[in-house]
Amino acid sequence: EVQLVEAGGGWVQPGRSLRLSCSASGFIFTDYAMNWVRQAPGKGLEWVAGIGGSGGPTYYGDSVKGRFTMSRDNSKNTIILQMNNLRAEDTALYYCVKSLSYGPGNYLDRWGQGSLVTVSP
Amino acid sequence: VVLTQSPATLSLSPGERATLSCRASQGISTYLAWYQQKPGQPPRLLIYDTSKRATGVPARFSGSGSGTAFTLTISSLEPEDFAVYYCQQRDNWPPLTFGGGTKVEV
Repeated sequence: EVQLVEAGGGWVQPGRSLRLSCSASGFIFTDYAMNWVRQAPGKGLEWVAGIGGSGGPTYYGDSVKGRFTMSRDNSKNTIILQMNNLRAEDTALYYCVKSLSYGPGNYLDRWGQGSLVTVSP
Repeated sequence: VVLTQSPATLSLSPGERATLSCRASQGISTYLAWYQQKPGQPPRLLIYDTSKRATGVPARFSGSGSGTAFTLTISSLEPEDFAVYYCQQRDNWPPLTFGGGTKVEV
């Protein structure tokens, strides 16, 4: 069974940093691209970042480009989202999401339960 | 690519047919997916490549369209189908983009 478990969320002041992690199991991790998708309270879905199965280039949404960095550690079946210079509008539930295939830019077929990030003074 | 979903809310009864629309700001071939999200749960992939059902998705869910106009049809609503539905495109990325959602309510 595919499992995606996020950790690292919490409350942080504007301008500070936070690091999310996602531990994956139940599938061959290196065979699939991984993503972060967020959902602000009561709002819709926003794709944040994605990375291919073997690593390589990482792609970002415009609203986080230059502030967030996504990486993966294939030896630990883990992905990381380093979030710097956080803003109030980054407040959201952050989902770790598995792609349907190896390449990034694909459909999203398995989702974690999410990790809540709250940015406020 | 901007995806516009309509209507924002669809009020129907169990057993009725639901038709949800997703329009793209430019042609995206058939590279479109649909997701279902229930309160307090993450989204679930229902349909990809416009009309392919994901694993375990009941046959009452079907998708159609191409280019800029797409439809998700639920042939006969079951009680568990009342939820929010999102479309998502992968033709022109980054970024992957989602529509704003359609809430199907009783």
